[in-house]
Amino acid sequence: DGGITQSPKYLFRKEGQNVTLSCEQNLNHDAMYWYRQDPGQGLRLIYYSQIVNDFQKGDIAEGYSVSREKKESFPLTVTSAQKNPTAFYLCASRPQQVMAQPQHFGDGTRLSIL
Amino acid sequence: DQQVKQNSPSLSVQEGRISILNCDYTNSMFDYFLWYKKYPAEGPTFLISISSIKDKNEDGRFTVFLNKSAKHLSLHIVPSQPGDSAVYFCAAGAGGTSYGKLTFGQGTILTVHP
Repeated sequence: DGGITQSPKYLFRKEGQNVTLSCEQNLNHDAMYWYRQDPGQGLRLIYYSQIVNDFQKGDIAEGYSVSREKKESFPLTVTSAQKNPTAFYLCASRPQQVMAQPQHFGDGTRLSIL
Repeated sequence: DQQVKQNSPSLSVQEGRISILNCDYTNSMFDYFLWYKKYPAEGPTFLISISSIKDKNEDGRFTVFLNKSAKHLSLHIVPSQPGDSAVYFCAAGAGGTSYGKLTFGQGTILTVHP
């Protein structure tokens, strides 16, 4: 059963801590994306990756970092530099080779500050 | 600068009637458009898409209309069912070197009353 797995579903962070959100996909998709959703707002792109060992900043990359060491995995680190990290984080993937293919999403991680 | 806008935060419809969700965009480079449905605490699910070379695409109860001159698209759901109650996001993408990046609207909460 192919899909995108995000873990944990809920995450709490203390002030000044870095936390890492996991995203794993077994869809054999090349491209992966991280979005942030705030109440009443749409999804905003944080980082994206087209291929292993390569990634680009999205619209709101400040305070976040990513890595793409394996095709299946695209973890997102929320650093202490991110001043307003409380949000719902969504990971997505799509096959890169085919244009205009929809992105497929995981079920998200809700991050809260203690 | 919001390039994709959903001006109606919410819509309430009676079961069996038509639901019409609207979306406006400003970027002329967008050449494909998608609608996603999202339940609370879950990731968005792809519903239907349309390429800029078409003005209509139909899939079962869902039809998307695109008016390029007005930079406007709409999603029609007929007949509406209580299970359709969710947040609906429109998204737009540009081909070429956009790497599948999508720009999302703020979402419209659809409530279908039995």
